[in-house]
Amino acid sequence: EAGVAQSPRYKIIEKRQSVAFWCNPISGHATLYWYQQILGQGPKLLIQFQNNGVVDDSQLPKDRFSAERLKGVDSTLKIQPAKLEDSAVYLCASSLGPYRGNTEAFFGQGTRLTVV
Amino acid sequence: DQQVKQNSPSLSVQEGRISILNCDYTNSMFDYFLWYKKYPAEGPTFLISISSIKDKNEDGRFTVFLNKSAKHLSLHIVPSQPGDSAVYFCAASANFNKFYFGSGTKLNVKP
Repeated sequence: EAGVAQSPRYKIIEKRQSVAFWCNPISGHATLYWYQQILGQGPKLLIQFQNNGVVDDSQLPKDRFSAERLKGVDSTLKIQPAKLEDSAVYLCASSLGPYRGNTEAFFGQGTRLTVV
Repeated sequence: DQQVKQNSPSLSVQEGRISILNCDYTNSMFDYFLWYKKYPAEGPTFLISISSIKDKNEDGRFTVFLNKSAKHLSLHIVPSQPGDSAVYFCAASANFNKFYFGSGTKLNVKP
């Protein structure tokens, strides 16, 4: 079974530039998550999709971050414009569904973003 | 507002001995807890979970204990092996909604 695929693995941009991350979840997984992990901290949920609908985006800085999940499969996360404090690892994860017995989330390797 | 805390950033244990990783939470509504393991340059991988209706769950060398009154859970690894060296995150949720992660504990198992 293929895992969660993310690209790129690394990205360095200057502040005020734009950047986009891509995620392909495990086939058949209805729920997709984007997490931000700042160095020394645990992952923080940015947005959760159930199929192509948004379940939770309460911690997504909507003035600069956007995400979409077209056709309920792949997803992209965009930052425009980037700030220095956006430097972090962006993790995508997927799970069968947010219900008992199927909540285990499988994570991709992440994209390490450095904003200079 | 950190609802899940792992107060020990690192832990060093001799191979063959027990590793105990601790996690505290503040939200009494949390009813489902997970432990993830993370190697460098990889995403976290699921290790073990526990529901609030239990106080213990075992899977091979890994056991998670939940003390609801103290809002505390711990992960025991017995015996510890060098391959267990990684960062361990605990996570908690209420009714399978958003999961809140702790900041992680880096475990080093010395040969």
